[in-house]
Amino acid sequence: AQSVTQLGSHVSVSEGALVLLRCNYSSSVPPYLFWYVQYPNQGLQLLLKYTSAATLVKGINGFEAEFKKSETSFHLTKPSAHMSDAAEYFCAVKGDYKLSFGAGTTVTVRA
Amino acid sequence: SQTIHQWPATLVQPVGSPLSLECTVEGTSNPNLYWYRQAAGRGLQLLFYSVGIGQISSEVPQNLSASRPQDRQFILSSKKLLLSDSGFYLCAWSVSGIIETQYFGPGTRLLVL
Repeated sequence: AQSVTQLGSHVSVSEGALVLLRCNYSSSVPPYLFWYVQYPNQGLQLLLKYTSAATLVKGINGFEAEFKKSETSFHLTKPSAHMSDAAEYFCAVKGDYKLSFGAGTTVTVRA
Repeated sequence: SQTIHQWPATLVQPVGSPLSLECTVEGTSNPNLYWYRQAAGRGLQLLFYSVGIGQISSEVPQNLSASRPQDRQFILSSKKLLLSDSGFYLCAWSVSGIIETQYFGPGTRLLVL
């Protein structure tokens, strides 16, 4: 069965600093991986997805993620944090019929 | 383009009362539909999914049920709510395929008192 683990339940960054959110996956087959963002009291919004076409995936709002098979990782980054990036971020892996989500990482941005 | 709606947005219900949450999708046919619950500090839990009208699969045993009376309508119900049913309920849709992506609705906040 496929699963993901997000390292760090809470990340605090300064405005303008690098955002790095860690996600490691476990899968017996080539995985399809996703990052979603959730703002308070809203649904999840797709940031980006890895579908094996390219290891570096660019998403919305300046985010990108790199698939590293040797490290079984799919970390999410953004070069320069903005106050509007404060939210909860979820990594997910596609299974047979459903997504398996990580526990989520809450990002706070300091002015 | 596709749109997903959920209502109500918020709901406060007493313990033991019934529940009905509705989700509808526009702009696509024969979607796969999902109900998730997000409880405080517990991440996202898949409750039900449906691949077609009248076809419901349950992920976890509980006092909730789901129905799909129409192609693009998905309903979450309970006959008697428990305190533990409080949470944020999210509906999602996808279209079957190799690179299947789920898209989420705005959610319903349920508080059981």
